[in-house]
Formats: sequence, C-alpha cells, structure tokens
Amino acid sequence: ETGVTQSPTHLIKTRGQQVTLRCSSQSGHNTVSWYQQALGQGPQFIFQYYREEENGRGNFPPRFSGLQFPNYSSELNVNALELDDSALYLCASSPGGGLNYGYTFGSGTRLTVV
Amino acid sequence: KNEVEQSPQNLTAQEGEFITINCSYSVGISALHWLQQHPGGGIVSLFMLSSGKKKHGRLIATINIQEKHSSLHITASHPRDSAVYICAGNNNDMRFGAGTRLTVKP
Repeated sequence: ETGVTQSPTHLIKTRGQQVTLRCSSQSGHNTVSWYQQALGQGPQFIFQYYREEENGRGNFPPRFSGLQFPNYSSELNVNALELDDSALYLCASSPGGGLNYGYTFGSGTRLTVV
Repeated sequence: KNEVEQSPQNLTAQEGEFITINCSYSVGISALHWLQQHPGGGIVSLFMLSSGKKKHGRLIATINIQEKHSSLHITASHPRDSAVYICAGNNNDMRFGAGTRLTVKP
C-alpha cells in the first residue's frame, strides 16, 4: 500500500487523559515527522524520527513523546491532555534524513479535548 | 514575525482568473514546499523547489533564493482549486506559513 496512513481519523478525549496517534509511513520512507495544526493556523513541527531515533524536536513540552518502529511506522503520544491540545495532528514521511526530500503527508487525526 | 510569511491570507477569484500566492521566508532553507490542504485536513505536496521554477499542469512555482521569496501561480483557475495553500521551508524540519485560503467561484 502506498501513501501515509494515520489512525484514528477523529478522536475525542477528556482533559488529563493520554492519547496515542499512529502513522504508517509510505513504503521506502525511513523518516517520519509529526506536526500540530491548530484551527486557522499553519502546522507546527513537533518532532522527527529517522531510523527509530529522534532527529529533531520543535517547541513542545515533554508530555509530547514519540516512537518509531523497525518498519518505520510511528506513534505520537500525548500525556495529561490540555484543552489547547485540540488540533489536527499530521504526520509526513520522507525517504531520507529530511533534507531536500519530498514529503508525503497523511490525512491527519483530528483530536478534540473536552 | 513568523519565519515564513504568506500573502494574501484570503483570496477570492472568479473561475478562469490567474492567481498568484506569495511566500517570503527569513530563515535559511534547503528547499521550499508548496502544499495544498482541503477542508478535510489532508495535505498534498504540490512542489518542492530549491531553485528556479517548476510547472505541473496549471500550477507553476517559482523561487528566488537571493530574495528569499517564492510564488505559486494557478492559471485558468477552477472551483476545484479552492483550498488552503501553504508554503513551508525545509531545513531539517519544516517551518510552515499560515496558509492562503483560496476560493474560486464559478
């Protein structure tokens, strides 16, 4: 299967709970990046994983954590959810370490924290 | 000031019009991306540029490295072009503009 797949597509959680979002990278891609997009704004970089290691992190608190698996799929975990965590979470995969390589984006997971 | 600025924020055009969306960046980048985001949220990568110009169908993207400026042009616009267009600079991580919301009316 080609393309980037994210699951779930929509999710509602209560403040204080924990959430795990999943991303299957495009075949042949070893780099996955996660982004948070609040309503009406451009995406913000959360972190990137390259060959199972974190390869860069944006300005997000430690309660945002991630994993990349040997098959290069990835998870984004958010602990102690806050109302402001409500956003569209996008992942994108690329075939290299991130520089000068095309990105393929997933359709996103829309998280609502109530 | 954002590292990646787009203009205009919103754009309404009549079907058939020529459209230009501008992007200026203040950080060093190795490549610039133009992305299209539809109301459902999914993002499609349109172009990745590091110099010059690229064309795909009715879409043309240009970049001027010295001026740190890029433009996305749509010729013969169509209502199905209605979407949010986002430019993003890439240098290890992506820095996104806030997007330009384009509405093309029939």
